[in-house]
Amino acid sequence: QLQLQESGPGLVKPSETLSLTCTVSGDSIKSAYYWGWIRQAPGMGLEWLGSTYYDGSRYYSPSLKNRVTTSVDTSKNQFSLRLFSVAAADTAVYYCARHLSPRASRDAFDIWGPGTMVTVSS
Amino acid sequence: DIQMTQSPSTLSASVGDRVTITCRASQSIGIWLAWYQQKPGKAPKLLIYQASNLESGVPSRFSGSGSGTEFTLTVSSLQADDFATYYCQQYDNYSTFGQGTKLEI
Repeated sequence: QLQLQESGPGLVKPSETLSLTCTVSGDSIKSAYYWGWIRQAPGMGLEWLGSTYYDGSRYYSPSLKNRVTTSVDTSKNQFSLRLFSVAAADTAVYYCARHLSPRASRDAFDIWGPGTMVTVSS
Repeated sequence: DIQMTQSPSTLSASVGDRVTITCRASQSIGIWLAWYQQKPGKAPKLLIYQASNLESGVPSRFSGSGSGTEFTLTVSSLQADDFATYYCQQYDNYSTFGQGTKLEI
């Protein structure tokens, strides 16, 4: 059974870089699916940040394109998010998730991690 | 960016009611729309994809319809477990979510 688990610092200082990792268990990260990041600010809706494939293909939200990167570590069965120059507005629960269909770069998300809260504060 | 607008923002209903939530896209997205259910402190759960396809394991009282710019999620007979917040998501052009509809008693 596929499971995802986010990990990373719960507190990041303003102007620094937020780094999160999603560990995939129960399947290989090279299993032909795209893997995505979505966040949810407190009391707010969902925001897609970006999605990545094990071969390095990546798609980012146009509104965050200059501040976000994703990567995949196939040896550890993990994928990662980096968000640069964070501010208080980046405080949110960050989720990793799997795209529904193989090789679909734009898709619904069928498997989600439980989420990890990241607070941006000095 | 494609904007997704859900209505209503809050919906009061009772067990056994039939309810409908609407999602409108700022431009045509074909059938590339999904619906999610989210409960407090939990990750969203996929209910419907490609506008009308029921995700495996989701009760048949949930249904989706629409294409182009207007979509609906219908729950035919509300159960106690259905009170939650619902989000639509377009994935025709990158991905954006609606602002959510809170379904409350």
